[in-house]
Amino acid sequence: DSGVTQTPKHLITATGQRVTLRCSPRSGDLSVYWYQQSLDQGLQFLIQYYNGEERAKGNILERFSAQQFPDLHSELNLSSLELGDSALYFCASSKGGAKNIQYFGAGTRLSVL
Amino acid sequence: AQTVTQSQPEMSVQEAETVTLSCTYDTSESNYYLFWYKQPPSRQMILVIRQEAYKQQNATENRFSVNFQKAAKSFSLKISDSQLGDTAMYFCAFMKPYGGSQGNLIFGKGTKLSVKP
Repeated sequence: DSGVTQTPKHLITATGQRVTLRCSPRSGDLSVYWYQQSLDQGLQFLIQYYNGEERAKGNILERFSAQQFPDLHSELNLSSLELGDSALYFCASSKGGAKNIQYFGAGTRLSVL
Repeated sequence: AQTVTQSQPEMSVQEAETVTLSCTYDTSESNYYLFWYKQPPSRQMILVIRQEAYKQQNATENRFSVNFQKAAKSFSLKISDSQLGDTAMYFCAFMKPYGGSQGNLIFGKGTKLSVKP
């Protein structure tokens, strides 16, 4: 168990809908990272937060947004869902410095039908 | 931009034998980190080993060791005494600790390793 908790484990929804994925980092970790794993694109970095502030953005679509709350948990919001958004979404956390190891949650499997 | 290439989509090895997974990367940075992550059928991403580019000594973790060749931009993973539980996808990853995109992992496409009894 990495100590990073992601909910829900599975999510099935329809095209055009909006969903929220939740991540609770390990105790003491200030940084949260979101990654998407799909068959087409592999594992891609989406966005990073550090202590409530957005720190870096990767290949994140405009339909996607995220935030990190004062208790350090994070949410990834996906809207106007398309079939191609079906993927495994991982959250990882670290103590904050770029040198610190990222520990991954078990992921949320999103299926858009 | 940095890229990570894993040229072996699939590999297999007999239990108790040794296998080496290849990874090459492209970067103009001099200081960076390299990782091998394991993803078993459970989907969990598990860190196997980490290498700091400015350290010449190759990292080792029990049965796992790396061959880091900085000039060749090569970072292979050797698994000794392979066990059935080593069956998984293995991802090579690069991270730049400073500057833009710092701290973000850039992954290769992965190598699917099957350990056969």
